[in-house]
This record gives sequence, structure tokens and C-alpha cells, in this order.
Amino acid sequence: EAQVTQNPRYLITVTGKKLTVTCSQNMNHEYMSWYRQDPGLGLRQIYYSMNVEVTDKGDVPEGYKVSRKEKRNFPLILESPSPNQTSLYFCASRNRYTQYFGPGTRLTVL
Amino acid sequence: ILNVEQSPQSLHVQEGDSTNFTCSFPSSNFYALHWYRWETAKSPEALFVMTLNGDEKKKGRISATLNTKEGYSYLYIKGSQPEDSATYLCAFISGYNQGGKLIFGQGTELSVKP
Repeated sequence: EAQVTQNPRYLITVTGKKLTVTCSQNMNHEYMSWYRQDPGLGLRQIYYSMNVEVTDKGDVPEGYKVSRKEKRNFPLILESPSPNQTSLYFCASRNRYTQYFGPGTRLTVL
Repeated sequence: ILNVEQSPQSLHVQEGDSTNFTCSFPSSNFYALHWYRWETAKSPEALFVMTLNGDEKKKGRISATLNTKEGYSYLYIKGSQPEDSATYLCAFISGYNQGGKLIFGQGTELSVKP
């Protein structure tokens, strides 16, 4: 089954404690992205990757890092999380046209 | 700054009504436009990907049109049903950055009453 998986699905953490949200896709897609969804602000792209070792900033990259060492994985790293990074995060992958979203990770930073 | 706007923000209709929403996007350097359906507590689900001026796509009772020269796309739902209740998002992909960057509109929240 074609899918995008994210882990963890829910996470409560404290300010400054480094965390990683994993994302994996089994569709051999070249493009992968991370988004955050906040009430009233819609979906905003954090980072995207067009292939292995090729990443670029989206609209809200501050405070986040990504890496793309393998085609199927695109982890999101928060080196020093802050409360303003409390949000719902989606990973997505796409071929040239259709984009598939993961189930989402709800992150709370206290 | 690239801006994508959707209207209306929300819409309440009765079962059986037909409805339409608008997505406005920059008319320069167009690469593609996506439409998504997003139900509460789920992930956005792709409806259409539109790439050419004049494109028309249809999926059951839902259809979409695209005008890249004037920078808008319409999504139509014919004979709305309660299960159509969701937020409908559009996302613009610019030709810059090799088509990697997507900019979403705020969405149109549709509520269909039985």
C-alpha cells in the first residue's frame, strides 16, 4: 500500500530538548516536504527536498533542520524546540503531480 | 512574496445545493495548481492537479477549472452531500525552485446540512 508514515504521532516535550520527527514514503517519490498547520494560518511549508541531498527552505524554516540521505526518508529536526513550534506537522511526498500526506504529528512544546 | 487566496472562507449549504469556490494565485511563472480535500482529524487528500491553462478536471460530482493567464481556479461541487463537508485547499506551485515550493491558500470550509 502506497503510504507516507510519520513518527511519533503525538509528542509533548520541553523547551530546548532536541527532537526528531521521522518521515518515510514507499512510493519512490523524489519530492518530499514538511508542513506545519496552525489555526488561522493554514498549511505552511517548512522545508522541501527535490531528491537525495537536495533540500531547500520553504516559508517558515527558522528553528528547523532537515536531511535527505535516502530517497525514502526525510526527518525533521528541532535542535532547540520552543513553545512557538507547538503545532500540527505533516510530512508529504509527491511525484511530478500528486502529493500524499502523512497522518500528522501533533507536537506540544512546554 | 507569493500569495494564494481562497474565497469564501466558509460556506454553509443545504444538501442538494451546488456550490463553487475560488482560488486566486500569481499569474506569472505558473507550474501547477493542486486542489485538496481536508476532513477534520484526517490528512489532506489530493483531488486534482492542474497544469495547463484551460484545464478542466472532474471526479464524480466535483470538478475544477483553471485560468493561468488571469490567475484563478474554480472548484465546483454539484448536488452537495453531507459527506462533502470538509475544508478545500488549493496550493500553487511556482516555476521557481524547480517546482518544489508549494504555497497553500487558507482554505474554504464547506458545511453541508442534511
